[in-house]
Amino acid sequence: DGGITQSPKYLFRKEGQNVTLSCEQNLNHDAMYWYRQDPGQGLRLIYYSQIVNDFQKGDIAEGYSVSREKKESFPLTVTSAQKNPTAFYLCASSRTASSNQPQHFGDGTRLSIL
Amino acid sequence: GESVGLHLPTLSVQEGDNSIINCAYSNSASDYFIWYKQESGKGPQFIIDIRSNMDKRQGQRVTVLLNKTVKHLSLQIAATQPGDSAVYFCAENSDDSWGKFQFGAGTQVVVTP
Repeated sequence: DGGITQSPKYLFRKEGQNVTLSCEQNLNHDAMYWYRQDPGQGLRLIYYSQIVNDFQKGDIAEGYSVSREKKESFPLTVTSAQKNPTAFYLCASSRTASSNQPQHFGDGTRLSIL
Repeated sequence: GESVGLHLPTLSVQEGDNSIINCAYSNSASDYFIWYKQESGKGPQFIIDIRSNMDKRQGQRVTVLLNKTVKHLSLQIAATQPGDSAVYFCAENSDDSWGKFQFGAGTQVVVTP
């Protein structure tokens, strides 16, 4: 079954701790994205990657980091520098990063602070 | 269909009736639009898309209408079912913004028996 798998579903972070959210896709898509979803707001772009070994900051990259060492994988690290990390994090992919390409989403990771 | 603050607009629909969900967009250069459905605790699910060279597109039980003059997009769901209860939001993209979409906050659709 082709799709995007995010893990874990729920994650708790202690003060001063970095945590990593996993995103894997088997759709053979070149482009991958990380979004943050807060109640009552539209999705906001954290980081994106148009191709393996390349990634760019989105609108709210501060306090986050990513890597794209493999085409299928785009993990997101929420660092201790992110002061308000509690949110629902969504990973998406598209066939390419060009316009007019639909993005398909995983089922998200909910991050909370202990 | 856009939200203000933490609370999403809610559309209450009786089972079997048609639903109409609206979305206003601001970028006149936007030329590709998607409607997503998001159930509680899950990721957004692609429903239907439309390009700016069209003003109507139909899918299974859904129709998207695009009015570029007033920058308005709507999603019509025919014969709404309990499984249609979810948040629906639109996304827009323009030719010069690669894969970067602007997402609306959404409308909560509640289907009552």
